[in-house]
Amino acid sequence: ETGVTQTPRHLVMGMTNKKSLKCEQHLGHNAMYWYKQSAKKPLELMFVYSLEERVENNSVPSRFSPECPNSSHLFLHLHTLQPEDSALYLCASSHLTSGEQYFGPGTRLTVT
Amino acid sequence: ELKVEQNPLFLSMQEGKNYTIYCNYSTTSDRLYWYRQDPGKSLESLFVLLSNGAVKQEGRLMASLDTKARLSTLHITAAVHDLSATYFCAVGVGRNRDDKIIFGKGTRLHILP
Repeated sequence: ETGVTQTPRHLVMGMTNKKSLKCEQHLGHNAMYWYKQSAKKPLELMFVYSLEERVENNSVPSRFSPECPNSSHLFLHLHTLQPEDSALYLCASSHLTSGEQYFGPGTRLTVT
Repeated sequence: ELKVEQNPLFLSMQEGKNYTIYCNYSTTSDRLYWYRQDPGKSLESLFVLLSNGAVKQEGRLMASLDTKARLSTLHITAAVHDLSATYFCAVGVGRNRDDKIIFGKGTRLHILP
C-alpha cells in the first residue's frame, strides 16, 4: 500500500472511552503530523514529529496523547474526550518539516 | 508570528469565468504550497512553489509566487463545476528544526453550472 493511511476512517466514542487513531506512511518521510479540522475552525496543527521526536505541540489538551514509535507510524491516543473534540483528524507526512505534506484520508471522530 | 491570509474565503462563480485566489503571508519564505480539499475528503497537493517568480500550471489552474511581495496567486481559467472545492495555501518558514508550515484558512470555491 502506498501513501499515507489512517485507521479507523470513522470512530464514535463516548466521553469515558479510550481509543487510538493510527497513521502509517509508506513514503520514506521523516516528519509526521496530526491536524484537527472542524467546521468552526480552520486546519489546526496539533503535533509534529521529526525523526521520531516531537518538535511541536500546539497547546493541545492532555486528553490527546501522540506516540511515534518509528518514522513510519504515528498514533493519537484519546481519552476522556469532550463533544467539542468531534472533528476530522488528519495525519500527514513530509520529507522535511517544511516540505510538501502528504495527507491521509482522515478519521472522522464523533464524541457522544 | 507568521500569518497566512487567503482572500476571498468564500467564492461562488459561474462556469466559464476566470478568477484568482490570493494568498498573502507576513514573513520571508521561499516555499509555498497549494492544496485542494473536496467536502469530507482529505487534502490533495496541487502545487509546490519554491522560488521567486515560480509559475506552475495544471489544467485550468495556475499558481504563481512573488516572494518579494509575499504573495501567491491561484488563477482559475474558464471554471468548471469539478473545480468546486476548498483551496488552501501553506507557507514554509524556518530552517532545520524550526521548520514548519502554516496553513491559510482556505478558500471555499463553489462553481455554479
